[in-house]
Amino acid sequence: GAGVSQSPRYKVTKRGQDVALRCDPISGHVSLYWYRQALGQGPEFLTYFNYEAQQDKSGLPNDRFSAERPEGSISTLTIQRTEQRDSAMYRCASSQGLAGVDNEQFFGPGTRLTVL
Amino acid sequence: QKEVEQDPGPLSVPEGAIVSLNCTYSNSAFQYFMWYRQYSRKGPELLMYTYSSGNKEDGRFTAQVDKSSKYISLFIRDSQPSDSATYLCAMSDLQPDKLIFGTGTRLQVFP
Repeated sequence: GAGVSQSPRYKVTKRGQDVALRCDPISGHVSLYWYRQALGQGPEFLTYFNYEAQQDKSGLPNDRFSAERPEGSISTLTIQRTEQRDSAMYRCASSQGLAGVDNEQFFGPGTRLTVL
Repeated sequence: QKEVEQDPGPLSVPEGAIVSLNCTYSNSAFQYFMWYRQYSRKGPELLMYTYSSGNKEDGRFTAQVDKSSKYISLFIRDSQPSDSATYLCAMSDLQPDKLIFGTGTRLQVFP
């Protein structure tokens, strides 16, 4: 079956522009996570959803970052008024989301964002 | 101080060697401990998963968790060139929940 997919794979934008990054989780997965990964670093948590409900957004750096998952499937991470420091790999992951079982997070290929 | 500390390496070993990778952490609430493998230009993929303290073995891989010392390890026996990748430790206190990752250790196994 298909894994987690993300689009676009690469995004180059100018400082001040808004960008929207899309994540398609594995079908039927309840939980969806967004991480940001800088070069040479591990993924850094941004936010996560159970179904359509945003459970934790403590990792979002500031109010320019927002995420939604309106129908409990596809999710969009939006960055408004992008800055050069936003340049990074943005990774999405999904999991079955059932408490008490091995709850592996499956990662997508990521979107490489470059802000000029 | 970061919640999870991991030596970034790189670690270079000959084929067949035993590799030891380690992480320390500061949050005593962590209960779920994972090791992810990440090949260049790919997303992380789960290698080992352990709940609470103890050992877990899967083929050439053994994961150990010592909660009293806040220390986790991954051992790779009979290492192969195909094991060359970055190994990331990750942990969480609830499931499902956000993962806190280490920086990753880059491993190179040469023939």
